Amino acid sequence: AQKITQTQPGMFVQEKEAVTLDCTYDTSDPSYGLFWYKQPSSGEMIFLIYQGSYDQQNATEGRYSLNFQKARKSANLVISASQLGDSAMYFCAMREGHRGGADGLTFGKGTHLIIQP
Amino acid sequence: EAGVAQSPRYKIIEKRQSVAFWCNPISGHATLYWYQQILGQGPKLLIQFQNNGVVDDSQLPKDRFSAERLKGVDSTLKIQPAKLEDSAVYLCASEGGQGPNLYEQYFGPGTRLTVT
Repeated sequence: AQKITQTQPGMFVQEKEAVTLDCTYDTSDPSYGLFWYKQPSSGEMIFLIYQGSYDQQNATEGRYSLNFQKARKSANLVISASQLGDSAMYFCAMREGHRGGADGLTFGKGTHLIIQP
Repeated sequence: EAGVAQSPRYKIIEKRQSVAFWCNPISGHATLYWYQQILGQGPKLLIQFQNNGVVDDSQLPKDRFSAERLKGVDSTLKIQPAKLEDSAVYLCASEGGQGPNLYEQYFGPGTRLTVT
């Protein structure tokens, strides 16, 4: 079974609108972390935001926020006031286990977001 | 601080040839990862090092792939012999930050491998 599911292969959004990118995850570990990365056409992976499973509040970083619904195993990324430069691939990822031990990330298949002027 | 460095950026080889990629992580980062990203997919972890020891290589095709991090700093990933399905971008990442970036893996620019 897939551990990270991103159901939107592609999205077109008008500039300045808000965008929600969906991500659901599957784990039986009570301790885990959820990440969102942006990958522009140039190829680099850019870290956007992190949410720990025990965090009480939803994470926010500037225009990015993470809508964390633990019971539904959902970690959607919300981008407010989208900009043309937001056009890129977006990946949701998870790390399982206690934070004390760094582990590799399991990535979803990504969502290709295109912002239209 | 300087980012994660990788070389070469691009490589084209024929099947059955060998190839090696190099990665230099951010200074002081103890954990280093190699990921394989096939076109249209998310990155897949190949191997994780903690200093110069292997922590997880469960997804590394060991019959053809090898990796080392002898002095606990830079690392090399080798493929020998290459197959057509090895065509991908190979991403190196490092981790070991402090403060608000405690959970962040920093990625290098990647090496795009084409096997013909």
